[in-house]
Amino acid sequence: GAGVSQSPSNKVTEKGKDVELRCDPISGHTALYWYRQSLGQGLEFLIYFQGNSAPDKSGLPSDRFSAERTGGSVSTLTIQRTQQEDSAVYLCASSPRQGPTLEQFFGPGTRLTVL
Amino acid sequence: KQEVTQIPAALSVPEGENLVLNCSFTDSAIYNLQWFRQDPGKGLTSLLLIQSSQREQTSGRLNASLDKSSGRSTLYIAASQPGDSATYLCAVKLGSARQLTFGSGTQLTVLP
Repeated sequence: GAGVSQSPSNKVTEKGKDVELRCDPISGHTALYWYRQSLGQGLEFLIYFQGNSAPDKSGLPSDRFSAERTGGSVSTLTIQRTQQEDSAVYLCASSPRQGPTLEQFFGPGTRLTVL
Repeated sequence: KQEVTQIPAALSVPEGENLVLNCSFTDSAIYNLQWFRQDPGKGLTSLLLIQSSQREQTSGRLNASLDKSSGRSTLYIAASQPGDSATYLCAVKLGSARQLTFGSGTQLTVLP
């Protein structure tokens, strides 16, 4: 079956602009995660959605970052007034709500470059 | 706060060698541990997942072990091939957390 998909694969933007990144999780997966991978910082957690519960936003680095998940499926990560330090690869993952492993499956990522 | 460390940061070996990648974590109350592979410019591919109650998992030439009490995991790659060249990431999920905490990775190069 289809895996996690993300779009766009690459995004170049100017400092100060807003960007939206999209994630389509695996069908039937109720949990969705956003991570960021940047040079010198490794892979860090941003936000987690589980079904209709309130998201865990504890990893968002500033109030310029927000995310939503519509209909329990597709998610959009929005970065407002982008800064150069926002340049990174943004990875999305999904996992089933139940099951023995709760294994996370990752998408290919969106590479964001802020000029 | 859970911290995950991977040693070495980079490793270069000739083709055919067996090798071990190391991962250590500070909080032993983990739910599971995953090993991932990442090729340049690509996303993460899950290689093996070990539940907290398990000691090891095997898939083909890969074997991952887990020692919760010492906070360590190893990824053993047998008979390495140039196609194994990639960055290998270790990630742990705490029982109380939803997200994974990642190590910084080991960049492996297998020379033909």
